[in-house]
Amino acid sequence: AQSVTQLDSHVSVSEGTPVLLRCNYSSSYSPSLFWYVQHPNKGLQLLLKYTSAATLVKGINGFEAEFKKSETSFHLTKPSAHMSDAAEYFCVVHTGGFKTIFGAGTRLFVKA
Amino acid sequence: DGGITQSPKYLFRKEGQNVTLSCEQNLNHDAMYWYRQDPGQGLRLIYYSQIVNDFQKGDIAEGYSVSREKKESFPLTVTSAQKNPTAFYLCVSRGVNTGELFFGEGSRLTVL
Repeated sequence: AQSVTQLDSHVSVSEGTPVLLRCNYSSSYSPSLFWYVQHPNKGLQLLLKYTSAATLVKGINGFEAEFKKSETSFHLTKPSAHMSDAAEYFCVVHTGGFKTIFGAGTRLFVKA
Repeated sequence: DGGITQSPKYLFRKEGQNVTLSCEQNLNHDAMYWYRQDPGQGLRLIYYSQIVNDFQKGDIAEGYSVSREKKESFPLTVTSAQKNPTAFYLCVSRGVNTGELFFGEGSRLTVL
């Protein structure tokens, strides 16, 4: 069985400080992992993806994530938060069985 | 341009009525999904389909039905058996090579 757990329902940071959004997964197969972002009243946008190549994945807008198989984690980071990063972020796992599972989401707040 | 089209964008329904949400894609994707999004619960999988004439129940399939008669189309029917149908519904397709998800704009269903 596969599952995704986003460890924080919301995260609050100050502008210019680092961002860490945590995601753990479980999967019986080698997974593909994704992070998507949803800004208020907008559709979901792909931030980055891991598909068994390099374990450190760089995405758009300065975000990156590291796949750690031993810890079954795929945490999303950004060195310096910007006000425009305030949104909801979803960690997604997909395995060869065509089932794609979303985490519950983490809402990121950025304070000026 | 290729993409996913959901309709209607907003829908109101009386209790006891069935409603069907349309989802059409011209991306030539085999895999299609229906998710329900509720505040604080992320996206939960209702049904998914890997290929024409085949579909599988997701985590919250009760009270819903789907069909996949054509590759391009994956309509979702919200039946009167669904106890809490008021929600935002997202249709998604998945690219074969990249695994990237493509999202419709969503349909917001309100039961009066």
